[in-house]
Amino acid sequence: AQSVTQPDIHITVSEGASLELRCNYSYGATPYLFWYVQSPGQGLQLLLKYFSGDTLVQGIKGFEAEFKRSQSSFNLRKPSVHWSDAAEYFCAVVVGGAGRRALTFGSGTRLQVQP
Amino acid sequence: GAGVSQTPSNKVTEKGKYVELRCDPISGHTALYWYRQSLGQGPEFLIYFQGTGAADDSGLPNDRFFAVRPEGSVSTLKIQRTERGDSAVYLCASSPPGVAGGTDTQYFGPGTRLTVL
Repeated sequence: AQSVTQPDIHITVSEGASLELRCNYSYGATPYLFWYVQSPGQGLQLLLKYFSGDTLVQGIKGFEAEFKRSQSSFNLRKPSVHWSDAAEYFCAVVVGGAGRRALTFGSGTRLQVQP
Repeated sequence: GAGVSQTPSNKVTEKGKYVELRCDPISGHTALYWYRQSLGQGPEFLIYFQGTGAADDSGLPNDRFFAVRPEGSVSTLKIQRTERGDSAVYLCASSPPGVAGGTDTQYFGPGTRLTVL
């Protein structure tokens, strides 16, 4: 079945440590790929997106993501985590060709940052 | 500038009642989306408007759910005969015109938390 998988429900890292959040998708064609962050009491905010071209994408707040076609993955990374990065992170895709705009989200990864 | 706003922020209703949830998109945004987020899950797509018309309503779970956007700006999501399973956070998003389909950035509102008792 077509899906977006975030295998890690909850991750805890120390402030200043590096971070990698995993995302895998299972679709016939490469979808458009997104990472969103959801902080308590705030709406979903786009961190970055990938459509084509350079497979390493830079986003806001120091985040980056790498698209790997061979692994059907789009993992999110940050070299040094700040306490304010604690939030829920969602990988999302758009598939289905021209005119299709609906985002399909993974189930999310909750990030906790220890001081 | 003002972001996407949603009212009410919280809505508590009884099983079987009718509810309306409102979304005010960012000014000038032509595309508007509704999603539903259940506890511990990612948002699920419900419906997408381009202007006044529903371009994709494939995510509406059944005919108790209906949405309108009569003037191409504000949208209302309507739920008839609410059920306890409808309890969730209902999210609205909008995106600007002139962007190729599927590549637009969707700007989300804070959501309406619906609780059906």
